[in-house]
Amino acid sequence: ELKVEQNPLFLSMQEGKNYTIYCNYSTTSDRLYWYRQDPGKSLESLFVLLSNGAVKQEGRLMASLDTKARLSTLHITAAVHDLSATYFCAVDGIGTSGSRLTFGEGTQLTVNP
Amino acid sequence: DADVTQTPRNRITKTGKRIMLECSQTKGHDRMYWYRQDPGLGLRLIYYSFDVKDINKGEISDGYSVSRQAQAKFSLSLESAIPNQTALYFCATWDTSNYGYTFGSGTRLTVV
Repeated sequence: ELKVEQNPLFLSMQEGKNYTIYCNYSTTSDRLYWYRQDPGKSLESLFVLLSNGAVKQEGRLMASLDTKARLSTLHITAAVHDLSATYFCAVDGIGTSGSRLTFGEGTQLTVNP
Repeated sequence: DADVTQTPRNRITKTGKRIMLECSQTKGHDRMYWYRQDPGLGLRLIYYSFDVKDINKGEISDGYSVSRQAQAKFSLSLESAIPNQTALYFCATWDTSNYGYTFGSGTRLTVV
């Protein structure tokens, strides 16, 4: 059974600071997704990482994937208040049962002025 | 129009009632999914379908059933709703051409 763990679950940071959210998963997969969710809203796709060593950047966010370590990171650079949201990683359980996502618990990020 | 549309957006129902949540998509994707989100938890998979004739249970299918009426439509039913089924429900599709998942806006269901 695929398990996905994120840490930290809660993150309070000051504007201008850098931080990293970690996503560990338990079985082999080379497709990992990062989403953002604002309160009461749907999931907004941030990054799709499709291979070992994949790195993608958009604005102040950068995501990477190490399939050998079964680890993905979401790095926040010079945080701003608008980044306050909950961030989820999700791993695609590729195999005989086909594609379906298993989600981490989410990291609730608060960026304070 | 949204690529993945869920109806209703909000619903309050009584314990024991049967309720159906509907999902339709305009992208022509074969693969569709139903997820449930509880506060403080990530999304958990209820059922998924890879085509009209294919239905698969997810990790939390007990108490739920689904129907894939057409490629574009995938409905989730609660046969006899109970309060611990109060949650936010999301439908999603998967695009085989770019590996991207698209989520609907969600249905907030409250069972009283």
